[in-house]
Amino acid sequence: AQSVAQPEDQVNVAEGNPLTVKCTYSVSGNPYLFWYVQYPNRGLQFLLKYITGDNLVKGSYGFEAEFNKSQTSFHLKKPSALVSDSALYFCAVRPSSSGSARQLTFGSGTQLTVLP
Amino acid sequence: EAGVTQFPSHSVIEKGQTVTLRCDPISGHDNLYWYRRVMGKEIKFLLHFVKESKQDESGMPNNRFLAERTGGTYSTLKVQPAELEDSGVYFCASSQQGQGLEQYFGPGTRLTVT
Repeated sequence: AQSVAQPEDQVNVAEGNPLTVKCTYSVSGNPYLFWYVQYPNRGLQFLLKYITGDNLVKGSYGFEAEFNKSQTSFHLKKPSALVSDSALYFCAVRPSSSGSARQLTFGSGTQLTVLP
Repeated sequence: EAGVTQFPSHSVIEKGQTVTLRCDPISGHDNLYWYRRVMGKEIKFLLHFVKESKQDESGMPNNRFLAERTGGTYSTLKVQPAELEDSGVYFCASSQQGQGLEQYFGPGTRLTVT
């Protein structure tokens, strides 16, 4: 069975500083990896995904994530944080094999607060 | 293009009552998923429809939960009778057919059982 760990419940960063939200995963075979963001009173919004190819994936709002197979990690990053980036971030994984289940396995979420 | 919609946005019911949640996926999306987030924990899978067929319902907690997707369009999730531990946020998501495609989530229904 697959699993996702987001080791930090809360991340605080000053506006303008780089941010990192950590994610490690466990899955049989090669993974499909996703980041979603939830703003207050809103649903989950897709940010970016890793399917195959370049390990550095770029997504919405200036976010990017780096897939590291040896460390089984998929950390979310942004070079310069904005106050409006404050939200709850979820990492998710599913196996890539064609016969595998399609549902996502999520981490517990990381609350990002960007301080002005 | 309209996104995934869910109704109601909030529901407060008493233990033992019945509640029905509705999800309208993005038009043309054959895959429809239900997930639940309880007490601020991780979001957990409940079940997956492909068109009107249940592809995987391994995440359904017990037989008090019944999901349907008649005609392969919208879906309903009924909880009968509701228990206190059913409280949480129920998310619906949809995706197109194909490998590696992201799922689009609705805003969720916050269910409170008192």
